[in-house]
Amino acid sequence: RKEVEQDPGPFNVPEGATVAFNCTYSNSASQSFFWYRQDCRKEPKLLMSVYSSGNEDGRFTAQLNRASQYISLLIRDSKLSDSATYLCVVPRGGSQGNLIFGKGTKLSVKP
Amino acid sequence: DARVTQTPRDKVTEMGQEVTMRCQPILGHNTVFWYRQTMMQGLELLAYFRNRAPLDDSGMPKDRFSAEMPDATLATLKIQPSEPRDSAVYFCASLRDSNTGELFFGEGSRLTVL
Repeated sequence: RKEVEQDPGPFNVPEGATVAFNCTYSNSASQSFFWYRQDCRKEPKLLMSVYSSGNEDGRFTAQLNRASQYISLLIRDSKLSDSATYLCVVPRGGSQGNLIFGKGTKLSVKP
Repeated sequence: DARVTQTPRDKVTEMGQEVTMRCQPILGHNTVFWYRQTMMQGLELLAYFRNRAPLDDSGMPKDRFSAEMPDATLATLKIQPSEPRDSAVYFCASLRDSNTGELFFGEGSRLTVL
C-alpha cells in the first residue's frame, strides 16, 4: 500500500450535492491526519484536522477509520467555491514534523 | 498578516544553469520545508529543517540539489546544474512547533527548465 493514496477524480457534482472523498494510508502508527485544500495555481492551505473522534466544521466532516486505515472528507450542500483539489495529509512515522501529502482529489462543483 | 515569502515567483532558465530559490518563513516558525509539486508526482518533500538544522533531505537528488538555512529568516534551495525534469512548482512551508500540523505555504516558485 502506498503511504497515502487518493482517488484523483475529478468529481463533477452539481451545486447542493453531497460529496465524499476517501484517503487510505499505510502507516498504522500515525496519530493525526489532515485535509488541505489547494485552489488552481495556488498554495495548499489547511482545511481540517482529523482526530480519532472525527471533526466537523460547518458543511465539512472529516472522519477516521483506524481499523481500515482510511480517512474521509464529506462536503454537504456543495458550493461553486468548493471547487478545488483536496489533499489528504499523513505524518510520516507518526511525527508531526514530516507530512506526506496525497496527490489530491479534484472536485468541480457545477451550477 | 504573517506569511511565507518565496522568490522568484516564476523562473525560466536553460538546462545547465544554476537556479536558487529563496524562502522567508514566518517569524517564530522553527520548522521549514521544501516541497516540489508536479502533475505526475504531486507534492514531494525534498528537505526540511528544524531550528535551522537539516532533519531530512532524503527526498532530494543530492548530486544537483542543495538546501540550506543560513539564518532563521532565510532558507535556500539550489539546483546546479538544472535539467528539464526539474521543471515544477517549488513550495516552501513553515510550521510553528506545535501539534496543529498546520503548514503555512508560500505562493511557490514556478520553475521551467528548457
